[in-house]
Amino acid sequence: QVQLVQSGAEVKKPGASVKVSCKASGYTFTGYYLYWVRQAPGQGLEWVGWINPNSGVTKYAQKFQDWVTMTRDTSITTAYMELRQLRSDATAVFFCARWDTNTGSFDYWGQGTLVTVSS
Amino acid sequence: EIVLTQSPGTLSLSPGERATLSCRASQSVSSSYLTWYQQKPGQAPRLLIYGTSSRATGIPDRFSGSGSGTDFTLTISGLEPEDFAVYYCQQYDTSPTFGGGTKVET
Repeated sequence: QVQLVQSGAEVKKPGASVKVSCKASGYTFTGYYLYWVRQAPGQGLEWVGWINPNSGVTKYAQKFQDWVTMTRDTSITTAYMELRQLRSDATAVFFCARWDTNTGSFDYWGQGTLVTVSS
Repeated sequence: EIVLTQSPGTLSLSPGERATLSCRASQSVSSSYLTWYQQKPGQAPRLLIYGTSSRATGIPDRFSGSGSGTDFTLTISGLEPEDFAVYYCQQYDTSPTFGGGTKVET
């Protein structure tokens, strides 16, 4: 069965960086785009960016493009999202989600990773 | 960017009642790319409805979606205890955007 398993919660100080992983299994890793979606505490959902695991091509939402980098390692079917220069208001849960191009929807989600930014 | 506005923000109902959730778009959305998710506290969103009205695998038939253009609706025909959650609509044209969510509470 399709699974996306993310790395555990992180606590970082302002200005630090964090790298979150998303391990995919149960499907052809290179066959589906992976998105990262952010959810601030008590708030809604917003897309951060996507990676094409086949080519490594990425696209980031304008709001995040100066502080996010997405990569992947096809040998271990894992995608990564690195966030740089974390601000104190950046605390959020980040989800990886598989994108279904045919339906324009996220059909499988990781469990989420809480990134807490606090001095 | 297409903005989705969901209403009401909170819906207070009892088990067995019918829930009607609205999602309004700032411009016309392709019916093929209008999706609904359910999210419970501490969990990831779960795909419920895609393509406006198609239920995802394993979703019970008390969940139904309808609409076109700028107005879309998610209906839960008889609320079960496990249906109390937050529901989000999402559209895709050049990028995905989500509505602000409707909380269904008892």
